[in-house]
Amino acid sequence: EAQVTQNPRYLITVTGKKLTVTCSQNMNHEYMSWYRQDPGLGLRQIYYSMNVEVTDKGDVPEGYKVSRKEKRNFPLILESPSPNQTSLYFCASSFDPGSYEQYFGPGTRLTVT
Amino acid sequence: KQEVTQIPAALSVPEGENLVLNCSFTDSAIYNLQWFRQDPGKGLTSLLLIQSSQREQTSGRLNASLDKSSGRSTLYIAASQPGDSATYLCAVKGLDYKLSFGAGTTVTVRA
Repeated sequence: EAQVTQNPRYLITVTGKKLTVTCSQNMNHEYMSWYRQDPGLGLRQIYYSMNVEVTDKGDVPEGYKVSRKEKRNFPLILESPSPNQTSLYFCASSFDPGSYEQYFGPGTRLTVT
Repeated sequence: KQEVTQIPAALSVPEGENLVLNCSFTDSAIYNLQWFRQDPGKGLTSLLLIQSSQREQTSGRLNASLDKSSGRSTLYIAASQPGDSATYLCAVKGLDYKLSFGAGTTVTVRA
């Protein structure tokens, strides 16, 4: 089944403890991106990747890192999480960044205490 | 900067009524517009994708129109059912490849 998977789905952690949220797609998509969704603010893009080894900042990149060593994986890294990073996170992918539709993962609900 | 607005923010209708959801955007230089459905606390499910050169797309009971020049799209859901209750999001893909989302319309279909 064609899909975008994320792990973990739920995570509660403490301030400053490094964490990684994994994202993987099995559709051979070139383009991948991360979003966060917050009440009243909607969905905002954190980082995106046009292809392997090519990443760039979205609208809210502060406090996050990403890497794209393989086409199928695009992990999101929080080196020192803070409570303001408590959010619902989505990974998405598409064949290319332009005309194709984006497929979203199921989401990761992160709580930082 | 692209601004995407969805009106109304919430909508409650009796089962069987047709739904009309509106989306407007400020910059008409776009690749496409995509409508999503989101159930509470869940991921986004793609409903329809309309390319900038298209005027409408249809899938089952869903029909979406696009008027790029006026910066508007409308999602029609025919003969609504309680299972259609969800939040519907409109997203516009700009020529910079950035996907800009509206805040969504929360739909409740009463049985």
